[in-house]
Amino acid sequence: GESVGLHLPTLSVQEGDNSIINCAYSNSASDYFIWYKQESGKGPQFIIDIRSNMDKRQGQRVTVLLNKTVKHLSLQIAATQPGDSAVYFCATAQGSYIPTFGRGTSLIVHP
Amino acid sequence: DTAVSQTPKYLVTQMGNDKSIKCEQNLGHDTMYWYKQDSKKFLKIMFSYNNKELIINETVPNRFSPKSPDKAHLNLHINSLELGDSAVYFCASSPTSYSLTDTQYFGPGTRLTVL
Repeated sequence: GESVGLHLPTLSVQEGDNSIINCAYSNSASDYFIWYKQESGKGPQFIIDIRSNMDKRQGQRVTVLLNKTVKHLSLQIAATQPGDSAVYFCATAQGSYIPTFGRGTSLIVHP
Repeated sequence: DTAVSQTPKYLVTQMGNDKSIKCEQNLGHDTMYWYKQDSKKFLKIMFSYNNKELIINETVPNRFSPKSPDKAHLNLHINSLELGDSAVYFCASSPTSYSLTDTQYFGPGTRLTVL
């Protein structure tokens, strides 16, 4: 069955550094990938998505990289700020099926 | 302006009780969802409704019954609450009725504690 996991449950970085959050997925038929950010006490919030016909997509300070060969997804955050501290989820979907969420990585940004 | 709202934010109750959580979205979206997030932050889809009709019902005990009086509301009623039901429950909505991969907008969550 589908499983979506993250390499590291917690990532600590210094303010101003770049952060890289990784995600591995198992379903090679997945064609849509999303990153969500969940701040403490709040619901998940969409950050960025990418479809399988792309291998890179950039947003404001965030970049998502997709490597379909090894079924790996990463979220890069440039110049990490204290406000970036949150739990980050990757989610994958196949066709029009609802996305499956991974277990989350907690990003801690130290001032 | 609140996009997806849930009430209550916190709910503490005894085992065996029946409780409801309400959700409303003012985004004009066609599809709404209920998710359960466990203590390890794992998010699992429970139900999805499109224009008041159930389209996804994952393996959830039948003690959980969603009700959608209109497309802006999706309430979750839970009968005979058990300790394992303790979790944070999130409501979400997405724009269209033809793609479940639309961006989902989540509510703030309801933390349910069953004693």
